[in-house]
Amino acid sequence: DQQVKQNSPSLSVQEGRISILNCDYTNSMFDYFLWYKKYPAEGPTFLISISSIKDKNEDGRFTVFLNKSAKHLSLHIVPSQPGDSAVYFCAASALNTDKLIFGTGTRLQVFP
Amino acid sequence: EPEVTQTPSHQVTQMGQEVILRCVPISNHLYFYWYRQILGQKVEFLVSFYNNEISEKSEIFDDQFSVERPDGSNFTLKIRSTKLEDSAMYFCASRDRVAGNTIYFGEGSWLTVV
Repeated sequence: DQQVKQNSPSLSVQEGRISILNCDYTNSMFDYFLWYKKYPAEGPTFLISISSIKDKNEDGRFTVFLNKSAKHLSLHIVPSQPGDSAVYFCAASALNTDKLIFGTGTRLQVFP
Repeated sequence: EPEVTQTPSHQVTQMGQEVILRCVPISNHLYFYWYRQILGQKVEFLVSFYNNEISEKSEIFDDQFSVERPDGSNFTLKIRSTKLEDSAMYFCASRDRVAGNTIYFGEGSWLTVV
């Protein structure tokens, strides 16, 4: 079941620069998308979400972009900080369902 | 900030034994979930629970699994007869009616079946 894909298993970015994490999905019924950050042996921490009626949502250093025609979303972190180093998961949910489908995650490392 | 709390943080059990994982969701939340993550794999949905009944469950959530909300605060996941492949991190989660589908996760309970 590969409905949500994160094709980059890892990303390395210098502190202060922009981090761009990508996510693709296949199910056109998805209408809500979320990004979670996860440290080892901890639960996913909610970062930001976007509804399918929008194409952009911003919260501080985090911006999520949604391109419905391409079935693609991305998370921009700017400026990146060393504390942002973690695994980032995108997740999606569809109309009339209550479950999140997660991607496989991208490990972000922000170095000084 | 309110958070979902889970106990135990880590449990080791022998194959065939029953395990109960406990969760206290965020107090004003109405929807409750269990997810799991097998080491090296992605987070997978197990079950959702609303109004004292299961609203949705995955193929993973077979007859060996059950959930219960025994009182107004706790939400439990029971595995009746654990198998080696049940070894995973189990996450409880919850959401309220207003926040859309933003689900808040607990820290997880790491289950090791030996």
